Amino acid sequence: GAGVSQSPRYKVTKRGQDVALRCDPISGHVSLYWYRQALGQGPEFLTYFNYEAQQDKSGLPNDRFSAERPEGSISTLTIQRTEQRDSAMYRCASSLAVADSRSNYGYTFGSGTRLTVV
Amino acid sequence: AQKVTQAQTEISVVEKEDVTLDCVYETRDTTYYLFWYKQPPSGELVFLIRRNSFDEQNEISGRYSWNFQKSTSSFNFTITASQVVDSAVYFCALLTGGGNKLTFGTGTQLKVEL
Repeated sequence: GAGVSQSPRYKVTKRGQDVALRCDPISGHVSLYWYRQALGQGPEFLTYFNYEAQQDKSGLPNDRFSAERPEGSISTLTIQRTEQRDSAMYRCASSLAVADSRSNYGYTFGSGTRLTVV
Repeated sequence: AQKVTQAQTEISVVEKEDVTLDCVYETRDTTYYLFWYKQPPSGELVFLIRRNSFDEQNEISGRYSWNFQKSTSSFNFTITASQVVDSAVYFCALLTGGGNKLTFGTGTQLKVEL
């Protein structure tokens, strides 16, 4: 696609439910990143993939959070047993290659999924 | 560890005023990259500029300019003759040479009023 697409745009869920957030990167982009942005804060790194391989998941806050990218394209971030503190904007970004994250274009971010846990 | 500090939480200016957004970074790496992103009210993150640690040349793009000073670990962003459309949250971010994670500051909310 022309840009990084995330769905849903908004998600309201009850505490204890599982949610799956989807990211469709720019076609051909090798690297895919997930960030979380709390209200009034900057985005914080969660995890990233090169192709289908999860290279770094050090930012995932606990084992309720997981991500996958089985075919090296679309990625899903899953949060199990959601808690109110999980409420945030979840952002996905992609880049042509790992090295491209340092290029003049940096990452291309999607519009994000606003998750609200009630 | 990497850190980015944007001490200005919110700035309000009147249209046509010049405004500077401050960014101070911390890293022990000698190779690193600095970015500015704009987050308008619609919520997306828009890339503005990247600078690498070996290039201290200042940059100008239209009404935007950036001042990179390694001596003070700062990468400040100036908007000349601000416009209402510049109203947004602006984030400074750091990427170290060996890593793939952007470290963001907490952002500066810029409000430009008529």
